[in-house]
Amino acid sequence: ILNVEQSPQSLHVQEGDSTNFTCSFPSSNFYALHWYRWETAKSPEALFVMTLNGDEKKKGRISATLNTKEGYSYLYIKGSQPEDSATYLCAFGTGKSTFGDGTTLTVKP
Amino acid sequence: DTGVSQNPRHKITKRGQNVTFRCDPISEHNRLYWYRQTLGQGPEFLTYFQNEAQLEKSRLLSDRFSAERPKGSFSTLEIQRTEQGDSAMYLCASSLDRHPVEQFFGPGTRLTVL
Repeated sequence: ILNVEQSPQSLHVQEGDSTNFTCSFPSSNFYALHWYRWETAKSPEALFVMTLNGDEKKKGRISATLNTKEGYSYLYIKGSQPEDSATYLCAFGTGKSTFGDGTTLTVKP
Repeated sequence: DTGVSQNPRHKITKRGQNVTFRCDPISEHNRLYWYRQTLGQGPEFLTYFQNEAQLEKSRLLSDRFSAERPKGSFSTLEIQRTEQGDSAMYLCASSLDRHPVEQFFGPGTRLTVL
């Protein structure tokens, strides 16, 4: 049974704060690690697909790093905005992915 | 809109009733996945299809659950004799088999069993 863990479970920050979340996953048989943003009443939106140890990806104010040897990935948001409020999910594997329980971010104006 | 669509978006039913959900994937995607998400947890894999073939089913998928993808396009997920524990968000996703890492999700169907 694969275990994907995310921390923290929830986070409340002020607009302008930078923040980061952690995703831990099995370090053996690694194939891919995904980050999704899921806003209420919308479809989960893919942020990053990461496949190589040491990968660093960036999309605007959001970036992610990957360490497959130790089994973790970090997601960073620089200068959080209220529109960043969402649940951020990581998923391990491909196809039938194993998801973490998510980090719910609330950014207060 | 050429994304993944799901219908209905919300379903309220009484315990013991049967329900059916539909997923329309992105048209050229030959893989289709069903997940279930309960409050406070991440999505859990239920089953997936490649074209019309159901290739894998999770042990979470009890005998009351059945999924079909008869023509390799849209898929249906039926739950018979619903129980309160079936209340959840049911998500559908699709991908190309040559790019299985890139899944595109629908907005989900929220099921409430009273």
